[in-house]
Amino acid sequence: AQKVTQAQTEISVVEKEDVTLDCVYETRDTTYYLFWYKQPPSGELVFLIRRNSFDEQNEISGRYSWNFQKSTSSFNFTITASQVVDSAVYFCALGSGNTGKLIFGQGTTLQVKP
Amino acid sequence: DAGVIQSPRHEVTEMGQEVTLRCKPISGHNSLFWYRQTMMRGLELLIYFNNNVPIDDSGMPEDRFSAKMPNASFSTLKIQPSEPRDSAVYFCASSSDRGGSYEQYFGPGTRLTVT
Repeated sequence: AQKVTQAQTEISVVEKEDVTLDCVYETRDTTYYLFWYKQPPSGELVFLIRRNSFDEQNEISGRYSWNFQKSTSSFNFTITASQVVDSAVYFCALGSGNTGKLIFGQGTTLQVKP
Repeated sequence: DAGVIQSPRHEVTEMGQEVTLRCKPISGHNSLFWYRQTMMRGLELLIYFNNNVPIDDSGMPEDRFSAKMPNASFSTLKIQPSEPRDSAVYFCASSSDRGGSYEQYFGPGTRLTVT
């Protein structure tokens, strides 16, 4: 069965701190996709990144970086020098290579205090 | 480019009434998904369509819920009769599986309150 676990329910940091959001997944598929989404207080779900199972290269986009490790089935998300605007719920998701269906984790609520 | 469009954005109705939520996916996307989000249960997939055909409706709570996709640019989610426990935010999302691209793009959601 496919499963995504985000063990951190809530994280609170002070602005400019670095913060890492953990994501652990389970799947028997050899081809799969991993995603991160952001849900700010306004409520919309915003796509951040997609990684393929055959591409373990880490990715950096501005203050955001993602670390994909198949050996530990993890796809962690780091925000460097956090800002108040980063306050949101962040969801990790797993997609099968066979369908477009995504399995979402329960989400991590990040609060960045000024 | 227009994103996923959902209507209405807010719906308040009384128990027992019929509710219809509407979704227009991103043009060119061939998969459409309906989700429900609540504090208790998080984000749940209700049903998804591929090329207008329902593929997986295992998440549909019960017979009171039904979804249709009559064409590539329109889908509805209907609840009849509605109950207070149906109160939630309902999201529609679309994606394209052409070229192995699976990221889903979400609409703004419909906040449903059943009193």
